[in-house]
Amino acid sequence: EPEVTQTPSHQVTQMGQEVILRCVPISNHLYFYWYRQILGQKVEFLVSFYNNEISEKSEIFDDQFSVERPDGSNFTLKIRSTKLEDSAMYFCASSEHTEAFFGQGTRLTVV
Amino acid sequence: EDQVTQSPEALRLQEGESSSLNCSYTVSGLRGLFWYRQDPGKGPEFLFTLYSAGEEKEKERLKATLTKKESFLHITAPKPEDSATYLCAVQAPGANNLFFGTGTRLTVIP
Repeated sequence: EPEVTQTPSHQVTQMGQEVILRCVPISNHLYFYWYRQILGQKVEFLVSFYNNEISEKSEIFDDQFSVERPDGSNFTLKIRSTKLEDSAMYFCASSEHTEAFFGQGTRLTVV
Repeated sequence: EDQVTQSPEALRLQEGESSSLNCSYTVSGLRGLFWYRQDPGKGPEFLFTLYSAGEEKEKERLKATLTKKESFLHITAPKPEDSATYLCAVQAPGANNLFFGTGTRLTVIP
């Protein structure tokens, strides 16, 4: 069964460092998303990407964040200068139409 | 502002004891309501999408229903492997992103 794959599963970084989280969406899907979940809180939308551009973004997705589809299979989330409050699970998701399928997440810990 | 409220926050059931989880929503013109299952440390796993009031969908021991204000996830004769957090999310018109509730943490005791 096709699935969304995320790497790494866990990343520890120092405050102020840049991190890149990677995702391989399901191959025939057209819409790609990033969500995050701070420990004990709800899943929050960050950004959606369609046709090689951002289609929607939330207030959380400020200038410190960027997304890219560098080739035909990968979808990345970059955080330029990490802060302690960026520590969370980051989920990539993809959809063909409305039903989004999520990856297993990257646990980002900023120290 | 879109709102999704799930209740109860946590629910403990004996194996075989049926129950329902509630998701109340406020969204201008619902495009879709989604149920996901989330195991600890894992990503949400898609269960159902409901699009219009009166719609019902079933999968094994789970049945989801939708009215104009809320959705229910009915769990019939649950087993310990049904233990997880169940998330409800809504999608507004013209948007593809999901707005999640805080979830109901279900524990099924053998």
